[in-house]
Amino acid sequence: DVKVTQSSRYLVKRTGEKVFLECVQDMDHENMFWYRQDPGLGLRLIYFSYDVKMKEKGDIPEGYSVSREKKERFSLILESASTNQTSMYLCASTLEGRGNQPQHFGDGTRLSIL
Amino acid sequence: GNSVTQMEGPVTLSEEAFLTINCTYTATGYPSLFWYVQYPGEGLQLLLKATKADDKGSNKGFEATYRKETTSFHLEKGSVQVSDSAVYFCALSPQRNTGNQFYFGTGTSLTVIP
Repeated sequence: DVKVTQSSRYLVKRTGEKVFLECVQDMDHENMFWYRQDPGLGLRLIYFSYDVKMKEKGDIPEGYSVSREKKERFSLILESASTNQTSMYLCASTLEGRGNQPQHFGDGTRLSIL
Repeated sequence: GNSVTQMEGPVTLSEEAFLTINCTYTATGYPSLFWYVQYPGEGLQLLLKATKADDKGSNKGFEATYRKETTSFHLEKGSVQVSDSAVYFCALSPQRNTGNQFYFGTGTSLTVIP
């Protein structure tokens, strides 16, 4: 089975801190994604990556950056955390294909910014 | 463009009732369609998928049929259980899709009462 592991289930940080969320997948997937999930808004794509060192902005990239130095690891960075970034963050990965490959999700990181 | 529309929740059913969660989509070409389930405090899990018109995806008693003529992929289950209480997401992946980006509905919360 595909395993997508997010480094923390719960995280509490302070306003202005630089925050790193880590995600690792063990199935050699080319594509990796970061979403945030908020009540009533569903999943919103922050960034995705289709190869090492490659990244694409999603729908809500402002205030975030990402890093993909190795194929299995995709990091989300909050450059200067703010209270409106309190949310559930979900990482996903998938094989490259003709659109018929499912995305596989981690368990999520619930981030609180105080 | 690509988009998914799901029926709004929350949905509350008694145990053994019949479940339908409506999902319609907009896409060019022939997307792949997916249903995911999210249990409280967890990430999304793939429930079922269909990759071409008239395909039926099924898993754990849930079914959905890819209807191109009505651009729909409704989720059904004949007899729900308390353990089916979760949030359900419909998603599509466009046919030609660098990075295998998905488009998700906003989710439908289901509560099954004994």
